[in-house]
Amino acid sequence: GENVEQHPSTLSVQEGDSAVIKCTYSDSASNYFPWYKQELGKRPQLIIDIRSNVGEKKDQRIAVTLNKTAKHFSLHITETQPEDSAVYFCAASRASGGSYIPTFGRGTSLIVHP
Amino acid sequence: KAGVTQTPRYLIKTRGQQVTLSCSPISGHRSVSWYQQTPGQGLQFLFEYFSETQRNKGNFPGRFSGRQFSNSRSEMNVSTLELGDSALYLCASSLVQGIGSGANVLTFGAGSRLTVL
Repeated sequence: GENVEQHPSTLSVQEGDSAVIKCTYSDSASNYFPWYKQELGKRPQLIIDIRSNVGEKKDQRIAVTLNKTAKHFSLHITETQPEDSAVYFCAASRASGGSYIPTFGRGTSLIVHP
Repeated sequence: KAGVTQTPRYLIKTRGQQVTLSCSPISGHRSVSWYQQTPGQGLQFLFEYFSETQRNKGNFPGRFSGRQFSNSRSEMNVSTLELGDSALYLCASSLVQGIGSGANVLTFGAGSRLTVL
């Protein structure tokens, strides 16, 4: 089955710095890669996603890049703010039975110091 | 519109008991999937239902089961509870756009936190 490795497990930055979280996946059939943000005690929420036919996608301070050949994708957050502090999960999804089933990374705890 | 609603939010059970968790998806969403979240294993896929049929199943023992009703509401059941079943159980619904669209955006509920003593 699919295996998703996510690094680092903890990332501490100063406000205004950039943060990068990296994920690798093993199943070449995976073709949809969402990122979720989970604040303490809250539900995971989709922040950005990318499909396998796209190499990069941006949404304001957040960007995701995908390298299908190397089977890795990354989340980039620029100009970090304290409210960016949360656990971030990457996922690699493949089509199965008419739907897309995600395999999640273990998560990265991002701490932004004011 | 209302989000994904899960009940109960918190519950405590003892080993050997069974538990049923409920999930009401966003109106119009026909796909409901369940996940187990633990500090050690992270987020793991349990199963997915669409139109009252289980379409996909993760790698969990048969003690974990679920079903979906005609109104898309879903329940999951865990029988013969073990200490290791203590976790946050998350439900997510999605407006299945079809494989051709290349995406299946999940909207999560707040979860049911199960503690097994």
